This record gives sequence, C-alpha cells and structure tokens, in this order.
Amino acid sequence: GNSVTQMEGPVTLSEEAFLTINCTYTATGYPSLFWYVQYPGEGLQLLLKATKADDKGSNKGFEATYRKETTSFHLEKGSVQVSDSAVYFCALSASNDYKLSFGAGTTVTVRA
Amino acid sequence: EADIYQTPRYLVIGTGKKITLECSQTMGHDKMYWYQQDPGMELHLIHYSYGVNSTEKGDLSSESTVSRIRTEHFPLTLESARPSHTSQYLCASSEQPYGYTFGSGTRLTVV
Repeated sequence: GNSVTQMEGPVTLSEEAFLTINCTYTATGYPSLFWYVQYPGEGLQLLLKATKADDKGSNKGFEATYRKETTSFHLEKGSVQVSDSAVYFCALSASNDYKLSFGAGTTVTVRA
Repeated sequence: EADIYQTPRYLVIGTGKKITLECSQTMGHDKMYWYQQDPGMELHLIHYSYGVNSTEKGDLSSESTVSRIRTEHFPLTLESARPSHTSQYLCASSEQPYGYTFGSGTRLTVV
C-alpha cells in the first residue's frame, strides 16, 4: 500500500539556522506529494506540493523536490524564524485515489 | 478567511452523552474527510465522502458515524461518548485529487 515515512522529531533550532526534514514514500504509480504545516491550536495548511518527478514546490522560503529515483520529498528552508515553529506533515496522494496518506509529523521549534 | 468551518472548537462532555461535531464548507467541494489526531500528532482517517449520500469508513476503526445529506455539510456523531474518544478531530475537503483544505479542528474531551 501507500505510505509515508518522515524524520522523527522533535527538532529544535536557533533562528536563522538551516532546516531539513526528510520524507520518503512508498506508492504505486506516480503519486502527488505534499507538505502541510500545523501551527499550534490550528488545522493543517498546505505548504507546498509537487505533482510529478523533478518538480520543485516552494512557498514561504520552504522548498521540496520530488525525487522519484530516491522516492523522497525532503523539506528545506535556508533560514528559519521563530514563526516557523509548527508541526510539519509530509503526505502523498496516489494517482488512483483521492485520499491523502500522511507521515507521522515532525515538530519543529525555533528559538530566538 | 476560512472556507471550512468546524464547531465547536472545544468540547468537554460526560461519558455516555451523544455528541455531533459540525463541519461545513463553502467551496462546493464534493470530497470531504474526517481525521482523528492523537496526542503524538499523527493523523488517522476515520471517515470520508465523495458526494451526497456517499460515506465510507477510513483506515482507523471508529465508533463514530457520519452523514452527507448536503454537499456543504459533513457532521460526525458519537452516540455514546467515552474517555477513549478524547482527541482532536479535523475535517477537510477537496475538489481535485490533491490539495486538501482543513478546518481548525474540534478538541473533544470526554470525562
């Protein structure tokens, strides 16, 4: 079946540090890949997405590239801010299914 | 401004009570979903619907039930709440096969 494995947290960083959260997936066919962010006390928001191999999704300084050869979709940001403190979820949608499969989530805390 | 609304945001209720968690969206999306989020933040799909009068159980077995009488409305009901139902419940909708829009969630505590 389809599944997503993402780096376990929690992750604690200083402001302006580089952030990377690893995400790998297992799926048949050609899935679409997503990163969602959940700020404290809120629902999930779509952060970025990529729908085919070698696509790069980007938003708010975050980037992730769809790597089919390594079945990965790692999230990166070059200089984090305190406001980036949140839980980040990697997810996939198989080509023949509307449902999303989520990773377990990674809690990121950025200290000033 | 949110296009998908969940009420209530917080609910504390006694064991054995019947409760309904409301979810409404104004985007005209056919597909709607309910997720249960455990304290470790992991998300579990408990119900989904691909249109009016269509509902399916998700990956995680749940004692809750859902209905979809109108496109915009997808309520979740627990006939008899128990402490094991304490959790955060998130509702979402989508039109395309990707790009969910989530509500703000309902945090349920059963005492």
